[in-house]
Amino acid sequence: SAVISQKPSRDICQRGTSLTIQCQVDSQVTMMFWYRQQPGQSLTLIATANQGSEATYESGFVIDKFPISRPNLTFSTLTVSNMSPEDSSIYLCSVQTSLEQFFGPGTRLTVL
Amino acid sequence: GESVGLHLPTLSVQEGDNSIINCAYSNSASDYFIWYKQESGKGPQFIIDIRSNMDKRQGQRVTVLLNKTVKHLSLQIAATQPGDSAVYFCAERYNFNKFYFGSGTKLNVKP
Repeated sequence: SAVISQKPSRDICQRGTSLTIQCQVDSQVTMMFWYRQQPGQSLTLIATANQGSEATYESGFVIDKFPISRPNLTFSTLTVSNMSPEDSSIYLCSVQTSLEQFFGPGTRLTVL
Repeated sequence: GESVGLHLPTLSVQEGDNSIINCAYSNSASDYFIWYKQESGKGPQFIIDIRSNMDKRQGQRVTVLLNKTVKHLSLQIAATQPGDSAVYFCAERYNFNKFYFGSGTKLNVKP
């Protein structure tokens, strides 16, 4: 298993600003993922972050809006840039170990 | 992104009854499936998984059934307890390590 922590757990931000979310894992993992969960909805994959290479983004998500860093095998950041109220969501970090996929507790973002 | 769903369907059951939560997945090439439980304010928690070469898998109080013919997955919870109240998601893997999530079902257990 993997224990994942995220910072911040929640934040309220002003339109036009940016927020960087941190994800820390208690073990080294090759693949990390960032998901978004809008209110009352399911999880949508934003991007896959592998250490040593650029993140791979899913359709509808771009690097300029959601830049990702993956400096080592236990850590990643997701930045939500130039925020608008439509970015209000829960952002979840996830890792895979063998076949199982584990999730962090999420960061609840509210954009005013 | 892949997932859809503006309003989560709700399943209400009496404590002690069995619950069945259903999920339709989208890709016939999906080879692995997971059921997750998400409690309010928390991230999804792994419940049980099943590979595409299986039809059924049992865990403690939970059973997952896979019908590849109609691309349908179900989660059965025996003797449902108030602590089972949560949102349940199925996830399918069809692109190497990427998982795509169903729209979710809210389970409400009445004491």
